[in-house]
Amino acid sequence: SQTIHQWPATLVQPVGSPLSLECTVEGTSNPNLYWYRQAAGRGLQLLFYSVGIGQISSEVPQNLSASRPQDRQFILSSKKLLLSDSGFYLCAWSVRDTSTDTQYFGPGTRLTVL
Amino acid sequence: EDQVTQSPEALRLQEGESSSLNCSYTVSGLRGLFWYRQDPGKGPEFLFTLYSAGEEKEKERLKATLTKKESFLHITAPKPEDSATYLCAVGGTSYGKLTFGQGTILTVHP
Repeated sequence: SQTIHQWPATLVQPVGSPLSLECTVEGTSNPNLYWYRQAAGRGLQLLFYSVGIGQISSEVPQNLSASRPQDRQFILSSKKLLLSDSGFYLCAWSVRDTSTDTQYFGPGTRLTVL
Repeated sequence: EDQVTQSPEALRLQEGESSSLNCSYTVSGLRGLFWYRQDPGKGPEFLFTLYSAGEEKEKERLKATLTKKESFLHITAPKPEDSATYLCAVGGTSYGKLTFGQGTILTVHP
């Protein structure tokens, strides 16, 4: 069966510090991968998605970036965090090249920027 | 632009009191409508995918239905463990991208 991991689970960082969040998927090959941010425990905002290694699409202009160095690894980064970057970050995967877009989510990372 | 609106924002029920959550949507070319359950501090858990008007799916006390403009999540005889935020999302013509609603916070009192 497929499993998706995210770490760390929680993170407290000062303003201006760098960020690196990691997501890995097990049990599937060539997945589509996604990064979302969820503010105030409600709606999800798509930040980045990737259909393959090195292929990243950005949905929202911001000081965050994403990379996909391996097929089942997705990384969210920032050089300098802002207060507004606080939130719950979710990674998701879906099967590529099918008629369904069902996405499966990881456990999330709670980021607090002070 | 795809849009999803969920109502009500919050719903309080007594155990055993059946009710429905609404998800209204506008989308260019529906590829799928998705329901998720999210517990506090956790990632969304997939419940259902519906593809065409008239389709229905069931899982335990939950039943999801779909029309051309909205979807309902019916909860029959809910239990306190059904308390969670329920999220609705649609997939449109942009392959792989989902648009989410703001969710309905369901609280079931014993």
